[in-house]
Amino acid sequence: DAKTTQPNSMESNEEEPVHLPCNHSTISGTDYIHWYRQLPSQGPEYVIHGLTSNVNNRMASLAIAEDRKSSTLILHRATLRDAAVYYCIQAGGTSYGKLTFGQGTILTVHP
Amino acid sequence: EAQVTQNPRYLITVTGKKLTVTCSQNMNHEYMSWYRQDPGLGLRQIYYSMNVEVTDKGDVPEGYKVSRKEKRNFPLILESPSPNQTSLYFCASSLAVLAGVYNEQFFGPGTRLTVL
Repeated sequence: DAKTTQPNSMESNEEEPVHLPCNHSTISGTDYIHWYRQLPSQGPEYVIHGLTSNVNNRMASLAIAEDRKSSTLILHRATLRDAAVYYCIQAGGTSYGKLTFGQGTILTVHP
Repeated sequence: EAQVTQNPRYLITVTGKKLTVTCSQNMNHEYMSWYRQDPGLGLRQIYYSMNVEVTDKGDVPEGYKVSRKEKRNFPLILESPSPNQTSLYFCASSLAVLAGVYNEQFFGPGTRLTVL
C-alpha cells in the first residue's frame, strides 16, 4: 500500500504561513501527491495535487522535493477557518483506484 | 448544485439487520468510492468503482457489499451489520481515473452509523 507519513499535529498563529510536511519515500515515478483537508464535522475537501514541480492554486501551494520523497503544503496566511485535519496521499498508476488516506495532521490555528 | 448526497445521515440499528446507505452524485462522475472514518484510524477506503459495473475492494472491504448499476448511484450494503461497523461513512466521486491520474474527489456529508 502507498503510505505517507505526516506529523500528528501542528500549530500556527492566524495570518502566519504554515508549512505542513509529508514524507512519501516509496513514491513511484507515476504517483501524484494529493492533499485533502477535513474541517470539523464535514467531509474531506480537495486542496491541491502535483507530480514533480511546485503547484499553486487559490487555496495553497505544494512544494515537491527534487527526489519526490517528500513534499510540503504551504498555507500562505493561515486563518481560523484553516483549522482542520490535513491528509497527504500518494496515488498513481500502481494504485488503480485504491486510495490510502492515513491519519493526517491536525492543524490548530490560534487567533 | 454539484454535490454528493448520502442517505440516511444518521442511523441506529441492531446487529444482523440488513441496511443500505445510498450515495448519489449529479456530476456525471465515473469514479466513486466509500470510506469509513474511525477515531485514531483516519479515513480508510472500503470499496471503489472505476465506472458502471466495475467495483473493487479497498483496504477494509470485509462485511460490506457495493453495486454500481448506474453511473450516479453507488450504494453501500451491510448484509449483517455488527457493532465493529459502527463508524462515520463517507461517499466520494470524481472524474475518471485514467492512466493512474486521479482527479479531485468530492465527498458527501457523511453517514453516522451505530450498530447495537
